[in-house]
Amino acid sequence: ETGVTQSPTHLIKTRGQQVTLRCSSQSGHNTVSWYQQALGQGPQFIFQYYREEENGRGNFPPRFSGLQFPNYSSELNVNALELDDSALYLCASRGDYTSDEQYFGPGTRLTVT
Amino acid sequence: QKEVEQDPGPLSVPEGAIVSLNCTYSNSAFQYFMWYRQYSRKGPELLMYTYSSGNKEDGRFTAQVDKSSKYISLFIRDSQPSDSATYLCAMRSSTNAGKSTFGDGTTLTVKP
Repeated sequence: ETGVTQSPTHLIKTRGQQVTLRCSSQSGHNTVSWYQQALGQGPQFIFQYYREEENGRGNFPPRFSGLQFPNYSSELNVNALELDDSALYLCASRGDYTSDEQYFGPGTRLTVT
Repeated sequence: QKEVEQDPGPLSVPEGAIVSLNCTYSNSAFQYFMWYRQYSRKGPELLMYTYSSGNKEDGRFTAQVDKSSKYISLFIRDSQPSDSATYLCAMRSSTNAGKSTFGDGTTLTVKP
C-alpha cells in the first residue's frame, strides 16, 4: 500500500452537477498531482499543488479546480459535469515537487450520466 | 498525434518468457522516463525511473532509453503470473517536474 487514500471509491453524477473528490497524501508529502484516466487510456495530468498553491496545470478547463490543505489532504472539484468527465481520477503524492517518486492512490471512479 | 505512443497489446506470454514493452515519443524535451505497473482497480505503481539515455537494471526488470531514436523499452526476464498487469510508460521534461505524460498502457498476461 502507498499510504495514499482517496474517497469515495465510486460516484455516479448527472450531467451539469458538481463533484468533489478527496485525497489524503502520505504524511510529510507537500506535493500532490491529480490525473484523469479514461477507460483504456493512460493518466492525463490535470494539475499539481505544492504547499497549497497550484504550480502546474495540464490541458483541462477552469471548471476543474483544486485545493490542498496543511494536513496533507487535497480536493479535486469539477463543475458543470459532462459525459466525457466519466473516468478514474487519481491523486499522486510526492515528498517534494522535484521528485519523480510519486505514490498513487487507488482512484475514484466517476460516472456521469 | 499523441506525444507518447505505446504498443497497445494485449500481450500474452507463458511463464518464464522474456517480455519486451515499448514506447516511442515525439517531444525531444523529455529527459526523465518512468515505467509504472497498474493492477486492476489500483493506482499505478512506479517500477523503474531513468534519466536520459542508457540502461538501468533492477532485479528481473531492465529499462532502456534511446533518446536518439526517441524510443524506450522495459524488459521483464523470467516473467511470472504475478507480473500480469497493465504497464504504462511515462516521461517528462526537466522544466516541469509535476507533469508526466503517459502512454496508454500495454496489458500483459503471463500464463502459468
